[in-house]
Amino acid sequence: KAGVTQTPRYLIKTRGQQVTLSCSPISGHRSVSWYQQTPGQGLQFLFEYFSETQRNKGNFPGRFSGRQFSNSRSEMNVSTLELGDSALYLCASSWGLARNTGELFFGEGSRLTVL
Amino acid sequence: AQRVTQPEKLLSVFKGAPVELKCNYSYSGSPELFWYVQYSRQRLQLLLRHISRESIKGFTADLNKGETSFHLKKPFAQEEDSAMYYCALSGSSNSGYALNFGKGTSLLVTP
Repeated sequence: KAGVTQTPRYLIKTRGQQVTLSCSPISGHRSVSWYQQTPGQGLQFLFEYFSETQRNKGNFPGRFSGRQFSNSRSEMNVSTLELGDSALYLCASSWGLARNTGELFFGEGSRLTVL
Repeated sequence: AQRVTQPEKLLSVFKGAPVELKCNYSYSGSPELFWYVQYSRQRLQLLLRHISRESIKGFTADLNKGETSFHLKKPFAQEEDSAMYYCALSGSSNSGYALNFGKGTSLLVTP
């Protein structure tokens, strides 16, 4: 089975722009979770999607949004980028809701740099 | 509010020595706890979960509800154990359920 695939792997944006990151989960997995990883804050939960519905949400501003498609692929969007949004964004998939399965399969991440 | 604390950013031990990676948590309900590991140039992956009570790669972790801890232990460290280790807690919050991670401990096993 192919693992979780995230695109793009690296990107550079400037303040005020917006960005869309994509995640393809492992085949058969219906849940996709997104995390922001920074040296100072570590891994912080953004949101989880299951069956095209956002099921859980972390403590991030509304500039961070996401969606999930019928094939379980997910995208996250960050609008009006700030310097502090520079981070590695990790996507993780699981066959069921993360709280039920406990095991997340992570992608390699999309590294966003905001200048 | 739930919180996972890993007090050590870096832990260095000699090969063959025992290793203990500390994890403390705060959570009002019954927690589900996990250890994830990230080896160099690899993806973050599940190492073990407290419910399974299993030993993976010689590592074990016991949930101590009295001390609210879930320390990861291995009696004899190997060089291939060098990695970043994250403790994680699955629990509910105002915004639903989430798997929340500690900030991680970098384990370095030297020969």
